[in-house]
Amino acid sequence: DQQVKQNSPSLSVQEGRISILNCDYTNSMFDYFLWYKKYPAEGPTFLISISSIKDKNEDGRFTVFLNKSAKHLSLHIVPSQPGDSAVYFCAASGDSGGYQKVTFGTGTKLQVIP
Amino acid sequence: ETGVTQSPTHLIKTRGQQVTLRCSSQSGHNTVSWYQQALGQGPQFIFQYYREEENGRGNFPPRFSGLQFPNYSSELNVNALELDDSALYLCASSLAPSNHEQFFGPGTRLTVL
Repeated sequence: DQQVKQNSPSLSVQEGRISILNCDYTNSMFDYFLWYKKYPAEGPTFLISISSIKDKNEDGRFTVFLNKSAKHLSLHIVPSQPGDSAVYFCAASGDSGGYQKVTFGTGTKLQVIP
Repeated sequence: ETGVTQSPTHLIKTRGQQVTLRCSSQSGHNTVSWYQQALGQGPQFIFQYYREEENGRGNFPPRFSGLQFPNYSSELNVNALELDDSALYLCASSLAPSNHEQFFGPGTRLTVL
């Protein structure tokens, strides 16, 4: 049962343009949504999060949008830079009886072309 | 501030053997979670440790077990290794079980032959 889905395994974008990464979820009990970035041979690095009570959160070049009715969130990177090339994981967090259980999607590999 | 560290980096075992992976949490973090990431998949939650006790568990069999020590470091033990256990094992620490932001180590790549 894949509760968090990233349907695009890969994405290529020209440097300077916008990168849009998408994520869908099925469990309406999730209360936080997160994006992690992962470079090869490194662990995932926290990028940005959004509470389920908000619809937008911005941090520099990164903005996450949440559409609760559609159970959909997206990460926008503007402008995209070659150093942004990595695998991006969407994740959702919810209370599981005293702790936050984090469920990850399968990832989208972003390539930013110089 | 020291980040999350894991050892060893790589490990090769044969089917039926047992393995122990180690993790040191980030300074000030008392909660450790373990994840299994198979090739082409996202990390899957194995379990979480808080105050030296298992605080939550994902859909993994009992041959996956763990420990947390008073200094908050942790071990993941896997008994009776199977070929499907080949994966990247990630450790993540957080300030508290209720905190959704986790900090990951670089992982241990386990290969079971």
